Amino acid sequence: SQQGEEDPQALSIQEGENATMNCSYKTSINNLQWYRQNSGRGLVHLILIRSNEREKHSGRLRVTLDTSKKSSSLLITASRAADTASYFCATALYNFNKFYFGSGTKLNVKP
Amino acid sequence: SAVISQKPSRDICQRGTSLTIQCQVDSQVTMMFWYRQQPGQSLTLIATANQGSEATYESGFVIDKFPISRPNLTFSTLTVSNLSPEDSSIYLCSVNGGDYPTDTQYFGPGTRLTVL
Repeated sequence: SQQGEEDPQALSIQEGENATMNCSYKTSINNLQWYRQNSGRGLVHLILIRSNEREKHSGRLRVTLDTSKKSSSLLITASRAADTASYFCATALYNFNKFYFGSGTKLNVKP
Repeated sequence: SAVISQKPSRDICQRGTSLTIQCQVDSQVTMMFWYRQQPGQSLTLIATANQGSEATYESGFVIDKFPISRPNLTFSTLTVSNLSPEDSSIYLCSVNGGDYPTDTQYFGPGTRLTVL
C-alpha cells in the first residue's frame, strides 16, 4: 500500500473474544484514524488518535499509537458477529497533504 | 463534520468511454481527495485537489487518465477516461472535517464503476 501494512490480513474469532489488528506506517504523521467497512459498503470512522497521544478508548475499542515504532493497534473487546467487516488504518502525513490507507484486516466474528 | 454526496452511485460503462463522478460537500473545504478501491483491496489515493490550482497526483496516476476539476470550495469532479475493465472499482472522495490534517477525514458513499 502507499503508506503501510496491516496484520493480520485476515482474522477469524468466536463471538465474545477480543480482536487485535496492527498497523504499521512509513513516515511521520499528524494523526492516525481507523475505519470499518462492511462488505461493499461505505467507510465508517471509528477513532482518531493524534501523534502526541499514546492510547484512546471508545466503547469497546482501544487504540494505541507508538510513533517510535511507527505502529498502531486496534483492539475490539468482547466481539460480536456484527463486528464482521474490514478494518483499515489511515494516516494523515505531517508535512504533506496526503491521507494514506493501510492494506486492511478482514475480521470474521463467528456467532 | 462534513456530509459528502457523490453522483452517480454506480454505473456500467463500455470500454473506451469516460465517466465523470461528482462530489459535493455541505461545507467549504480547502482540500478534497480522490481515492480508488479495487475489488477486495484497500483505498489508494489518486490525487489531492485544491480549489484554484491543479490537482496533485500520486505515483501511478496521471492527469490524462484521471482529470480532476475543482471549480469551488464545495465541489469537485473526477473523470476516468478511456475506460478499460481494469478501471472497475469504487471511487471515493474525501474531505477533512476541519482544517486538514487535524480532524476526522470523512468519505463520500462512493461510486461503483463497472467497465464491460
